[in-house]
Amino acid sequence: RKEVEQDPGPFNVPEGATVAFNCTYSNSASQSFFWYRQDCRKEPKLLMSVYSSGNEDGRFTAQLNRASQYISLLIRDSKLSDSATYLCVVNKGFQKLVFGTGTRLLVSP
Amino acid sequence: SQTIHQWPATLVQPVGSPLSLECTVEGTSNPNLYWYRQAAGRGLQLLFYSVGIGQISSEVPQNLSASRPQDRQFILSSKKLLLSDSGFYLCAWSADTPLGGGLAGYTFGSGTRLTVV
Repeated sequence: RKEVEQDPGPFNVPEGATVAFNCTYSNSASQSFFWYRQDCRKEPKLLMSVYSSGNEDGRFTAQLNRASQYISLLIRDSKLSDSATYLCVVNKGFQKLVFGTGTRLLVSP
Repeated sequence: SQTIHQWPATLVQPVGSPLSLECTVEGTSNPNLYWYRQAAGRGLQLLFYSVGIGQISSEVPQNLSASRPQDRQFILSSKKLLLSDSGFYLCAWSADTPLGGGLAGYTFGSGTRLTVV
């Protein structure tokens, strides 16, 4: 089983739509969770951390379900500029992060 | 503020040639440093990480090596490149916290796109 699994997509949505991505992780001892965004041929950039109680940053909401080892990202009112690959990230031990292969989002006019 | 620099941005090298990619971090001390590779259409693979000068942990056995000669400098090298070494190489740093760098998230450099021909 992969350490972090994501649906590769692509998710094709119109502007203004709400879209959700899911991610599962295998290590029940993981403590830190993140969503990164990667634009084509660019480096990944931290989008948001994921906290146990769930957290929101503008149009983005992240949720964590430790019992099911499941992380989600919800994007409301999608913009064209949201088109990118979204990487689910989980810590492995104290020093390392494991990255999922990403979910591709395409927002169309 | 902290910044991370990585160069060159692109590189085309023949098979069998040596490689040296450099990464430096500014505005922080004793960072945790990482080298990742992303092959075309694939996820990020951790190659090496370092928690201090001269301390290198290797994640994947291969013909690459890493060194950390200074606190904020991380170098990725190869003596002889293979075709399979092609990819997008990313350096990253995280703060040295009591709980460990993996718990704080990483900041990536802009990457080096390496093509071995």
